[in-house]
Amino acid sequence: GEDVEQSLFLSVREGDSSVINCTYTDSSSTYLYWYKQEPGAGLQLLTYIFSNMDMKQDQRLTVLLNKKDKHLSLRIADTQTGDSAIYFCAESIRGSYIPTFGRGTSLIVHP
Amino acid sequence: GAVVSQHPSWVICKSGTSVKIECRSLDFQATTMFWYRQFPKQSLMLMATSNEGSKATYEQGVEKDKFLINHASLTLSTLTVTSAHPEDSSFYICSARDAGTSGVDEQFFGPGTRLTVL
Repeated sequence: GEDVEQSLFLSVREGDSSVINCTYTDSSSTYLYWYKQEPGAGLQLLTYIFSNMDMKQDQRLTVLLNKKDKHLSLRIADTQTGDSAIYFCAESIRGSYIPTFGRGTSLIVHP
Repeated sequence: GAVVSQHPSWVICKSGTSVKIECRSLDFQATTMFWYRQFPKQSLMLMATSNEGSKATYEQGVEKDKFLINHASLTLSTLTVTSAHPEDSSFYICSARDAGTSGVDEQFFGPGTRLTVL
């Protein structure tokens, strides 16, 4: 299987919370990232979490890490139409500077 | 924040021609730049790591004679797709590491270049 796996699609109603899940295989992962890619654009780093953390919150974004299960999630509160994009989960090992990306989850927000 | 630009944003070329894509770090120095290729509904595939003043390191399966990378300065790396063919059509994204940062291993991504080979 792939090193980083994500579901490909998620559809939510505007105003609801979105939860995007990701699993990874490398237990030596040090950094775990969430990137956002809007249509025709490059990747924007949304947030990241160190592997020694369980949770990180940044405004509407909450990242949860279950290191035992190698599971990472991104929760977007009060999802807006502007949040529609592809969200990539990624992991890297300290010092490698090269993340391994998942295939991305397309988030569709409808009224 | 750190800004990375790419030029052109899209290009259409005939089969057999060569295409050069530029990646620039606008407000920081990038000792290392990365080139990725992205297929529709696929993840980013790292093609090569480019270090300023030295030869690029290519990932397994990437032809270095096909995809020429030059990193002549701390703010500019170029990717040249030589003798392009339709199968080279893709979205090419570059990223750069800020030489002055410490802590999180963050790359700053360019907006990407859409290459279509006819």
